[in-house]
Amino acid sequence: EVQLVESGGGLVQPGGSLRLSCAASGFTFSSYDMHWVRQATGKGLEWVSAIGTAGDTYYPGSVKGRFTISRENAKNSLYLQMNSLRAGDTAVYYCARGKPVVVVAAPPNWYFDLWGRGTLVTVSS
Amino acid sequence: EIVLTQSPGTLSLSPGERATLSCRASQSVSSSYLAWYQQKPGQAPRLLIYGASSRATGIPDRFSGSGSGTDFTLTISRLEPEDFAVYYCQQYGSSPPNTFGQGTRLEIK
Repeated sequence: EVQLVESGGGLVQPGGSLRLSCAASGFTFSSYDMHWVRQATGKGLEWVSAIGTAGDTYYPGSVKGRFTISRENAKNSLYLQMNSLRAGDTAVYYCARGKPVVVVAAPPNWYFDLWGRGTLVTVSS
Repeated sequence: EIVLTQSPGTLSLSPGERATLSCRASQSVSSSYLAWYQQKPGQAPRLLIYGASSRATGIPDRFSGSGSGTDFTLTISRLEPEDFAVYYCQQYGSSPPNTFGQGTRLEIK
């Protein structure tokens, strides 16, 4: 079965760190760009990070310098290391498979054709 | 910076009716790089439409997407009970990348 399963969420204090994992199965993980997308309770979706098949990484300004995405193809696994966490980072974090497009004069872009069920991260004292 | 605005915020319809959801961009979306997702409570989003009008694998043909430039529409021709959910549009052709609309809640009337 083609699926993504996240783990590693939990309660962490402001300023703390947390590492999320995503286990992929049913497809050739190494051939796909992979992403993290988050959703605060009752809110919309926010793209958090991307990693290409060659290990190139991309972040929005809201998390750049605090979050690090990585992958381990031998283990079909994706990771998100989150440091200096803030209350505003509280959300469900989804792992997603991206389909890339090339756009002239714009950064890399993707749409997302496979999602995991998510893992909840709560940043609170 | 491109901003996507979805309307209406909530749409109340009955099974069997036709649903029309709108997604308007503050600037033209390059090459109609617009996607639609469905999200049910407690579940992950599911890709419905990409490239403004191409259905994703396994999506019923009652779902259709249209539009270009700044105005896009998701149409559900005859609502089934399982279609009541929140729908998000996403642009993937401009900067900043991968931005989503705020969502439209489709509820049973």
